[in-house]
Amino acid sequence: AQTVTQSQPEMSVQEAETVTLSCTYDTSESNYYLFWYKQPPSRQMILVIRQEAYKQQNATENRFSVNFQKAAKSFSLKISDSQLGDTAMYFCAFMRPYGGSQGNLIFGKGTKLSVKP
Amino acid sequence: EAEVAQSPRYKITEKSQAVAFWCDPISGHATLYWYRQILGQGPELLVQFQDESVVDDSQLPKDRFSAERLKGVDSTLKIQPAELGDSAMYLCASSFTPRGMVYEQYFGPGTRLTVT
Repeated sequence: AQTVTQSQPEMSVQEAETVTLSCTYDTSESNYYLFWYKQPPSRQMILVIRQEAYKQQNATENRFSVNFQKAAKSFSLKISDSQLGDTAMYFCAFMRPYGGSQGNLIFGKGTKLSVKP
Repeated sequence: EAEVAQSPRYKITEKSQAVAFWCDPISGHATLYWYRQILGQGPELLVQFQDESVVDDSQLPKDRFSAERLKGVDSTLKIQPAELGDSAMYLCASSFTPRGMVYEQYFGPGTRLTVT
């Protein structure tokens, strides 16, 4: 069974600084997808960024980028130029795209990020 | 912008009572998911529908939980009887997921259940 581990329960960063959130996962699959989701306080979960395991190039979305190390089964999220609106819970998630559980997301426990002015 | 709708947003119930949650996915999304998120943890899948069929309900406590999506559109999740340990956020998500393709899951605002 796949597992996702986020070892940083809470982190804080100053506005405009850069912060990196860690995520490791365990799977025997060779083809899969990885995601970072953001859950702001009292608001719904939204997708931040996704990475396909077969792609060597790290995904980027504006101020958000990932460091995907397939052999090490590591998938960290870097947030550059942090903004107050980045304050949220961040969840790392694994998806197996094929088979009976196609599309199911397996989430880590989350990292609570606070951006301080 | 289309959104996943859920109701109610908050529900307080006494243990042993029945409770139901409703979800209306984004129009055209064939796949619908129900997740349970205990405070301080990540969501865990309860049940997945593809149209009106259950694809995965392996983590659904079937002695007390039931889910249906009769016309392949909106869905209802029921708990009967509710237990103290059921207190959690119940999230609904939907995606446009033709078989073999992977698309983003869109989440609703959730229903926060408190069982007293």
